[in-house]
Amino acid sequence: NAGVTQTPKFQVLKTGQSMTLQCAQDMNHNSMYWYRQDPGMGLRLIYYSASEGTTDKGEVPNGYNVSRLNKREFSLRLESAAPSQTSVYFCASSGRTGGIAQYFGPGTRLTVT
Amino acid sequence: AQSVTQLDSHVSVSEGTPVLLRCNYSSSYSPSLFWYVQHPNKGLQLLLKYTSAATLVKGINGFEAEFKKSETSFHLTKPSAHMSDAAEYFCVVSDRNAGNMLTFGGGTRLMVKP
Repeated sequence: NAGVTQTPKFQVLKTGQSMTLQCAQDMNHNSMYWYRQDPGMGLRLIYYSASEGTTDKGEVPNGYNVSRLNKREFSLRLESAAPSQTSVYFCASSGRTGGIAQYFGPGTRLTVT
Repeated sequence: AQSVTQLDSHVSVSEGTPVLLRCNYSSSYSPSLFWYVQHPNKGLQLLLKYTSAATLVKGINGFEAEFKKSETSFHLTKPSAHMSDAAEYFCVVSDRNAGNMLTFGGGTRLMVKP
């Protein structure tokens, strides 16, 4: 039982390049989330998926897209990376949306130069 | 709108002394409250959660937190710090008015001196 896994662990991009961050969970959770973590700001929600087939914007969705590929997998895409997207990205999952604990992956450290 | 304020960005204690990490929240309804811990270069791990049951909540690794509605606080405590407690701690609130989404505080970095 791996919990929540993320790939890659580290990535360096040049401005304007694109990439997809992958996330998978094996806890049969309905809800999945993408956050970014910046110093002194805690975690901010980018997008979430309350259930398979649905996605919704969070607090900071601009510059990102997501796909809920199936119940297990939720990917985050940067179409044209910008230096402001340099951050640590965390994927999380929970049994249902909100009010209960979320379980986090180990994170992806992304640098955009 | 819900919000969380962690009153100290850094806290330093000596090993064996008590830990107090302070958190105040703002929420329209009865909130759910959480504390998460993040060790360096790791993901977040749930320490404890309050969801309208007992106001004193016990978590893992000897941590506990008390929900005080009148003070809108949810401070995290531990009687005796251990070197392995050095990490960043996040207070988190969730309520129905915000679609049950989590809102994170800015974090408190706990340093433990030998």
